[in-house]
Amino acid sequence: DAMVIQNPRYQVTQFGKPVTLSCSQTLNHNVMYWYQQKSSQAPKLLFHYYDKDFNNEADTPDNFQSRRPNTSFCFLDIRSPGLGDAAMYLCATSRDPNSYEQYFGPGTRLTVT
Amino acid sequence: DQQVKQNSPSLSVQEGRISILNCDYTNSMFDYFLWYKKYPAEGPTFLISISSIKDKNEDGRFTVFLNKSAKHLSLHIVPSQPGDSAVYFCAASAGTGGFKTIFGAGTRLFVKA
Repeated sequence: DAMVIQNPRYQVTQFGKPVTLSCSQTLNHNVMYWYQQKSSQAPKLLFHYYDKDFNNEADTPDNFQSRRPNTSFCFLDIRSPGLGDAAMYLCATSRDPNSYEQYFGPGTRLTVT
Repeated sequence: DQQVKQNSPSLSVQEGRISILNCDYTNSMFDYFLWYKKYPAEGPTFLISISSIKDKNEDGRFTVFLNKSAKHLSLHIVPSQPGDSAVYFCAASAGTGGFKTIFGAGTRLFVKA
């Protein structure tokens, strides 16, 4: 089945220790998104890629970076995690820039100790 | 500044009855609206959508109503089934495609057998 896969599902990191979350997709979609969702809050868009074109949301902290080495993979790097970065991180894809429907992975829950 | 609000964190409904989930938005530029459903340990999945040129869209047991003058949309599920128990996210987008999709915080629906 075509899908969006996120690894790991649970990640524990120490305060200030860099961490990378990964997302892969078998849908061959052009657009990939990263969202941050804190408890009982709305998913908040951090950035998206349209092919290799990176688009950062204005209020995404510089601490968050992303890489998309190819169509299938996208990474979220948190350079110096703080306690406030503990959240669920959701990866999503959409077929093209004109598509509204997004396909989500199961998320990675990040704990910062 | 929450542009998309789901004011009811949870809703409990008896099996077979109607479930009505509500969503309010503030940005008059939103022109496409979506509902996503999320089960535990899974990512949100697309359920139904509506363009701002319509006021109703129906898909089986699910109907979305849009009231542009009130900046309000609702999702009706009739009849409700225990398998509908999930978190439902309302989302709104301005412009073409999903690049600027804003999500609500979700409403947890419990359907009691």
